[in-house]
Amino acid sequence: GENVEQHPSTLSVQEGDSAVIKCTYSDSASNYFPWYKQELGKRPQLIIDIRSNVGEKKDQRIAVTLNKTAKHFSLHITETQPEDSAVYFCAGPTFSGGYNKLIFGAGTRLAVHP
Amino acid sequence: NAGVTQTPKFQVLKTGQSMTLQCAQDMNHEYMSWYRQDPGMGLRLIHYSVGAGITDQGEVPNGYNVSRSTTEDFPLRLLLAAPSQTSVYFCASSPGLLSTEAFFGQGTRLTVV
Repeated sequence: GENVEQHPSTLSVQEGDSAVIKCTYSDSASNYFPWYKQELGKRPQLIIDIRSNVGEKKDQRIAVTLNKTAKHFSLHITETQPEDSAVYFCAGPTFSGGYNKLIFGAGTRLAVHP
Repeated sequence: NAGVTQTPKFQVLKTGQSMTLQCAQDMNHEYMSWYRQDPGMGLRLIHYSVGAGITDQGEVPNGYNVSRSTTEDFPLRLLLAAPSQTSVYFCASSPGLLSTEAFFGQGTRLTVV
């Protein structure tokens, strides 16, 4: 089926704290898991992605972990800064019906307070 | 390099009117898609195309038509606009679907009154 669930819907942290956003997916054939960041009034932009042949990927303060057995992947932001405030979307390809499609989660609104 | 260009940026329609949202990309990407974004509901896939001449339905296709006559263009047509179609619409393109970044246009804010 076509289902990517994302939690939490909102997240508020103090500057310097860590933030974790989790997504679960239903299509066991999924093998590519990107994360997008959307600042207010802007378009979504890719910040990090992971493929199913690795369990973790890091890029400076952000990291993504993947647990294929449990069908979930998470975005970790360390040492959060006010400019990290945005809406974050996970996504995953699904193969049910027609061609492959990229389905997004409902988004997490992250607020980082100074 | 312009990337993905959407027009118009803003549009107000009356119920029952029709219109076409334009999307063009200059990156020679095969895969293009249309999403709508509503508060609390993320990005929902309307229609997508895996190449010129090939389109398919996404999660919420009702009330919308698409065609892909060229690699560059992927217009979205609203047949009979309804208030439920008030939303922000994003077009995206990528070289392929899997393991490649999707590039988004700047969005079209549509209001149906």
